[in-house]
Amino acid sequence: NAGVTQTPKFRILKIGQSMTLQCTQDMNHNYMYWYRQDPGMGLKLIYYSVGAGITDKGEVPNGYNVSRSTTEDFPLRLELAAPSQTSVYFCASSHWAGGVDAKNIQYFGAGTRLSVL
Amino acid sequence: GESVGLHLPTLSVQEGDNSIINCAYSNSASDYFIWYKQESGKGPQFIIDIRSNMDKRQGQRVTVLLNKTVKHLSLQIAATQPGDSAVYFCAEHSSGSARQLTFGSGTQLTVLP
Repeated sequence: NAGVTQTPKFRILKIGQSMTLQCTQDMNHNYMYWYRQDPGMGLKLIYYSVGAGITDKGEVPNGYNVSRSTTEDFPLRLELAAPSQTSVYFCASSHWAGGVDAKNIQYFGAGTRLSVL
Repeated sequence: GESVGLHLPTLSVQEGDNSIINCAYSNSASDYFIWYKQESGKGPQFIIDIRSNMDKRQGQRVTVLLNKTVKHLSLQIAATQPGDSAVYFCAEHSSGSARQLTFGSGTQLTVLP
């Protein structure tokens, strides 16, 4: 049981390049999330998905796109990379069953460190 | 304690002492809170959670206290060990349908030998 797996671990992009950050989970979780973490800061939500085929914007979605074609995979696409997108990106997943007593503990991958130069 | 800003709050404790990490949250409608631990170069790891209908919850060497009146959360670590050195985040759960987490900026805990 690998949990949440992110690839690549490190990447350097030139301004204007594009790339896809991969995220896959093997826990059959319905919810998946993408966060970015800037140095010395907390995590900011970029996009999230409540199930296959459903995605929605978080706090900082500009410059990013996502898709959720399967329960397991939630790739994050960067188009026209900019220096402001230099950050550490974390993918997370959780099982949300709904109801008053339900919990939504998010489990995180190890992160992708991205530098845009 | 935690605060929003560019400088990560720090806490240094002697090995074997107890640690208290504080967090102020903003949304009075938040109904669920989580503490995460993040070691250098790794993703956040779940430590303990608490619902808003509780004021205290204990785990193994950790205790979370919730004061809804002043919107304050604390994490107590008993007999702090070198392996406890990390950044600790509190996160509050929004009551929206997506159950999003809002994270604080974190506190860097350093355990001194």
